[in-house]
Amino acid sequence: GEDVEQSLFLSVREGDSSVINCTYTDSSSTYLYWYKQEPGAGLQLLTYIFSNMDMKQDQRLTVLLNKKDKHLSLRIADTQTGDSAIYFCAESNNFGNEKLTFGTGTRLTIIP
Amino acid sequence: DAGVTQSPTHLIKTRGQQVTLRCSPISGHKSVSWYQQVLGQGPQFIFQYYEKEERGRGNFPDRFSARQFPNYSSELNVNALLLGDSALYLCASAPPDRTPGELFFGEGSRLTVL
Repeated sequence: GEDVEQSLFLSVREGDSSVINCTYTDSSSTYLYWYKQEPGAGLQLLTYIFSNMDMKQDQRLTVLLNKKDKHLSLRIADTQTGDSAIYFCAESNNFGNEKLTFGTGTRLTIIP
Repeated sequence: DAGVTQSPTHLIKTRGQQVTLRCSPISGHKSVSWYQQVLGQGPQFIFQYYEKEERGRGNFPDRFSARQFPNYSSELNVNALLLGDSALYLCASAPPDRTPGELFFGEGSRLTVL
C-alpha cells in the first residue's frame, strides 16, 4: 500500500537553508507534492515534481527526487519567519483522481 | 475571489449522533474532494466528486457519505459518530484545467465528538 513518511520537527535559524525530507513506498507514484499548512489556514500547494524528473527549482524552493531510493526533499533557501508552518509531502499515482496520500507533516520552526 | 468555504467551522457532537458538513468550491471548479485530518497526522482522502459523480473513495466505513449538487457545492455526512471521528475535515476543489494535484483547500470544519 501507499505510505509516506516524514520527520515531525525541524528547527532552522533565520537566513539558513531548511531541508525537509520525505520517503514514500509506492513505486507507481506519478506526481509528488509539497503542501504548506499555516495555523488556521487550509493547505496550499507549494510545488510538485513529476516522477521522471530529479530536480525542480522555483525561486527559493528546490525539490530533489531520488526515485531509486523513493526519497523526496524540499530545500527552502534563506528561510524567513514567514516560512514557519507544517510542510506535507504527498504523492498520487493516478492523474485525474484527486486522491493524494499525505505524510504526517514536518513542523518547521524558525529561530530568530 | 472567494476561496473554498466550509461550514460550520467548529462543532461538537456526542457519540451516535449524525453530522453534515458543507463545502462551496471556488467558482468555476467542478471537482470537490474531502479529507480527514486527525490531530498530528496528515490529511486522509475520503471522497472525490466531479460533475456530481463519485470519482474516488478512500478507506472509510459506510457511515461516511457525500454528495455534490448541481452548483458543485458538496456535503459530507457522517452517521453514528465515534470518538475517533474527531478531526479537521477539509474540503478541496480543483478547476478543470489545473496543475496536477493542485487542490485548493478550505480552512476546514473541526469536529469534536464527546
